[in-house]
Amino acid sequence: RKEVEQDPGPFNVPEGATVAFNCTYSNSASQSFFWYRQDCRKEPKLLMSVYSSGNEDGRFTAQLNRASQYISLLIRDSKLSDSATYLCVVNVYGQNFVFGPGTRLSVLP
Amino acid sequence: EADIYQTPRYLVIGTGKKITLECSQTMGHDKMYWYQQDPGMELHLIHYSYGVNSTEKGDLSSESTVSRIRTEHFPLTLESARPSHTSQYLCASSFQGSNEKLFFGSGTQLSVL
Repeated sequence: RKEVEQDPGPFNVPEGATVAFNCTYSNSASQSFFWYRQDCRKEPKLLMSVYSSGNEDGRFTAQLNRASQYISLLIRDSKLSDSATYLCVVNVYGQNFVFGPGTRLSVLP
Repeated sequence: EADIYQTPRYLVIGTGKKITLECSQTMGHDKMYWYQQDPGMELHLIHYSYGVNSTEKGDLSSESTVSRIRTEHFPLTLESARPSHTSQYLCASSFQGSNEKLFFGSGTQLSVL
């Protein structure tokens, strides 16, 4: 079983749709959590950190449930430019970042 | 904006050549990493470093080697390139500590003919 698992994609949604991505992690000692976005043939870029209280950045909302070891990302009013692969990343202090396999999103006109 | 730079951006080279991929960061990060990624596939950690004179192998076995003589510089070397080394190589860096974020360079796309 992978340390970090994500919804298998791809997700194909129309513009304006709301889309939710799910991620689970197996290491209960994980301390920090992130969503990264990666465009085709580009480097991953930090989208947002994820906090226990939940956090929002514009159309993006991230939630963390430590008890269930579950992270989510919600994108509202999706745009064509949101098309990318979304990577769930967890980290334990003193260890390396662990990446999920990614979920690909295509927003269609 | 991340201040981490990789050169070259693209490299096409013949089998058997020695190559060095450069990576530098100006953020004062102590930890640096090299990842390998094929198109549409997952990232694989091949090397990392905790600081100067520290180098460790990652989760994926690689024939490449790395060095960390200066904090800001973490080059990756392939002594004899082969077609199986064709891939994208991504350098990244972070501070050590909880809640520290990982920043990536733009990557080097290596093609070995």
